[in-house]
Amino acid sequence: DIQMTQSPSSLSASVGDRVTITCQASQDISNYLNWYQQKPGKAPKLLIYDAAVLQRGVPSRFSGSGFETDFTLTISGLQPEDVATYYCQQYDKLPSIFGPGTKVEIK
Amino acid sequence: EVQLVESGGGLVQPGRSLRLSCLASGFSFDEYAMHWVRQPPGKGLEWVSGISWNSGSLVYADSVKGRFTISRDNAKNSLYLQMNSLRDEDMALYYCVKDTGSVAGPLDYWGQGTLVTVSS
Repeated sequence: DIQMTQSPSSLSASVGDRVTITCQASQDISNYLNWYQQKPGKAPKLLIYDAAVLQRGVPSRFSGSGFETDFTLTISGLQPEDVATYYCQQYDKLPSIFGPGTKVEIK
Repeated sequence: EVQLVESGGGLVQPGRSLRLSCLASGFSFDEYAMHWVRQPPGKGLEWVSGISWNSGSLVYADSVKGRFTISRDNAKNSLYLQMNSLRDEDMALYYCVKDTGSVAGPLDYWGQGTLVTVSS
């Protein structure tokens, strides 16, 4: 199975900061990488698919990049409503594995 | 508006069975693959199982293979997960999730989940 790692596991940043979360796959997954946001007590929400395509309705401060094994989720200007845990997920090969998550808090 | 409403969770003893259901609305259910994803309390997400639009492709995580069975009834806009031989480690919030297309695609709509508690 493909393994997914994320870093950092948690971070604390100020409102307006640029925040970067990385996700690494154990093998080449091309651009078959999604990012999800899960706010406390809520179901996950799809933010970005195919590594860099913003899901409809997601604010443009969110962006994704990467290819093959290394991927990045960037929040350009952190907002209080962005407090959440963020998960990457590969869907190049089944089983579809999620990363362990990155918890984002406001400083 | 897409809605996915899970039911069937509850308290069950180890070794027993439980059947989860998910009622879908707001989209053409018979055109999309569907999945179950679970989340143990305080932990991360684990993909459990997926089914293609016509039930022609059924896929499972190794952790549930041979114990869980996914199925769907397109006439009833419903997705199911039959869970047998339940273990402590199956305790989780189980989400019903819509795929954007085939059985391996981005997951664009999630239900609110149904909680399965495994305890003697």
